Amino acid sequence: DAGITQSPRHKVTETGTPVTLRCHQTENHRYMYWYRQDPGHGLRLIHYSYGVKDTDKGEVSDGYSVSRSKTEDFLLTLESATSSQTSVYFCAISVRRGGVTDTQYFGPGTRLTVL
Amino acid sequence: EDQVTQSPEALRLQEGESSSLNCSYTVSGLRGLFWYRQDPGKGPEFLFTLYSAGEEKEKERLKATLTKKESFLHITAPKPEDSATYLCAVQAENNNDMRFGAGTRLTVKP
Repeated sequence: DAGITQSPRHKVTETGTPVTLRCHQTENHRYMYWYRQDPGHGLRLIHYSYGVKDTDKGEVSDGYSVSRSKTEDFLLTLESATSSQTSVYFCAISVRRGGVTDTQYFGPGTRLTVL
Repeated sequence: EDQVTQSPEALRLQEGESSSLNCSYTVSGLRGLFWYRQDPGKGPEFLFTLYSAGEEKEKERLKATLTKKESFLHITAPKPEDSATYLCAVQAENNNDMRFGAGTRLTVKP
């Protein structure tokens, strides 16, 4: 258990409304990630953060923004939700436990439906 | 561009019927290949990391192997509780990003 929580766990919203998803971690990890998961596409990286106020874009960042004002919280915002953003969103943290690379551990996910 | 392809998309086995899942990848310098298990409605759960061709790792009924082009997840004498989607991902030498495959949905019937 990497101590990751996501809120809300489920959300239904309407097209054009803003939506913010929250990821919270309890272990002070530097790297945090937001992914979306859709059938047939696997997990795709939206944005990631490598420290407070330090963020960068991933593969599918259009229509999304992120913020990280505290180490423990990473927020994902859909400025104006569209039906194509209906998906399951996962937050992850990156941990180095020996070896030469980091391992990502995932939160429980948020299921977002945009009507 | 880094790519990961998993096959088959879905696999149905009888309890005790061993089989393998495939993960083919192309990456500009492999830093690590990862296997995850995902149960319905939950986040992916880390299983293994493999770093170089020839490496093998085992956990209970699962064994992961790696070559220069693909990885296999061998499942020996599976049980119904092994039913899940298994995800493969690669990380390239030049960045921290991970590229995931679409997964293999495994169903083990009693």
